Amino acid sequence: EAGVVQSPRYKIIEKKQPVAFWCNPISGHNTLYWYLQNLGQGPELLIRYENEEAVDDSQLPKDRFSAERLKGVDSTLKIQPAELGDSAVYLCASSLDLAGAEQFFGPGTRLTVL
Amino acid sequence: AQKVTQAQTEISVVEKEDVTLDCVYETRDTTYYLFWYKQPPSGELVFLIRRNSFDEQNEISGRYSWNFQKSTSSFNFTITASQVVDSAVYFCALSGTEYNFNKFYFGSGTKLNVKP
Repeated sequence: EAGVVQSPRYKIIEKKQPVAFWCNPISGHNTLYWYLQNLGQGPELLIRYENEEAVDDSQLPKDRFSAERLKGVDSTLKIQPAELGDSAVYLCASSLDLAGAEQFFGPGTRLTVL
Repeated sequence: AQKVTQAQTEISVVEKEDVTLDCVYETRDTTYYLFWYKQPPSGELVFLIRRNSFDEQNEISGRYSWNFQKSTSSFNFTITASQVVDSAVYFCALSGTEYNFNKFYFGSGTKLNVKP
């Protein structure tokens, strides 16, 4: 069975440009997460979806970040405009909607903002 | 507050040595889950184990073992006879069932270097 798929794997952009990341979760996983991981740190949650509903977006910087999961399957995370401090790895994860369900992670997108 | 602390930033051992990675957590949930993940240099986080707060039995899986102690709020991970392939960053994580259901709180990770 395929794992969590993310694209692109790497992205280099100039500051103030827009960028988008795509994630396709494991089939049957209705919970999807976007995380930010800075170098030497653990993942930090940006947004969590239950199906197409964003149930926790308290740590998403809404002035420049947006996300969608229109059909409750794949999801897109967008940054517009990107800033130098946005350089990081963006991870997508998915899980079943069960208490204590383990999350399965994609390979991440490494973003570099110049 | 929900918090996970991994005090060891980096550990270096020689192959075949045993090594223990420490994890201490704080939670106000009575029912919660603890996890360990491995992040090799390739970058993808790999799930290793999950324990729930009602199961304090230690677990052994091959060279890996986990020691969960509620009394000290710790969930430590031991690798016996370490190998070079064990080199990675290891993350401990906590998720609750009452406050912020299923939200994961990760520690800052412990980088393990196993030298041949």
